[in-house]
Amino acid sequence: EPEVTQTPSHQVTQMGQEVILRCVPISNHLYFYWYRQILGQKVEFLVSFYNNEISEKSEIFDDQFSVERPDGSNFTLKIRSTKLEDSAMYFCASNRRGYNEQFFGPGTRLTVL
Amino acid sequence: GEDVEQSLFLSVREGDSSVINCTYTDSSSTYLYWYKQEPGAGLQLLTYIFSNMDMKQDQRLTVLLNKKDKHLSLRIADTQTGDSAIYFCAEDQGNSGNTPLVFGKGTRLSVIA
Repeated sequence: EPEVTQTPSHQVTQMGQEVILRCVPISNHLYFYWYRQILGQKVEFLVSFYNNEISEKSEIFDDQFSVERPDGSNFTLKIRSTKLEDSAMYFCASNRRGYNEQFFGPGTRLTVL
Repeated sequence: GEDVEQSLFLSVREGDSSVINCTYTDSSSTYLYWYKQEPGAGLQLLTYIFSNMDMKQDQRLTVLLNKKDKHLSLRIADTQTGDSAIYFCAEDQGNSGNTPLVFGKGTRLSVIA
């Protein structure tokens, strides 16, 4: 069964460093998302992406965040200058046209020291 | 803004039924979802219900929706130890097929053998 994959599973970085989190959505899906979950808190929406552009973004998704679909399979989230409070689990999700169900990847745990 | 509330903990004995409750605020939601998160894993879509339905049954899972009270519940029949996980209620924010999900904090279900 096709699934969303994410790499790495765990990323440790120093404050101020740039990180890129990678996702491979399900191949026939057209809509892509990033969510994050700070430990013990709700899963929060960051950004949605369709047709090579951002559809919607939350207040969390400020100028230090960016997303890209560099090729036909990958979908990336870049954090330019990480802060301690960026430590969280980051989930990628996707769904296909006409179907609202979003399928989530296993997540990348980001730890900022 | 939109908000989804769930009780944080539920403990049941193996073989009993579990009922996890959720309230939401956005009356324009098209679909409401239940996701399961096992320790260290991603979010697994369990089931969902269209907002004009009252009930949906899928094997051991029954979803009940009271749209007037904005109340959603998930009943797991014959609960097993493998059902121990965190269960998230989520609503979407429209019907464009590219809408963010708003999640509750999750209910941690503990199944006692």
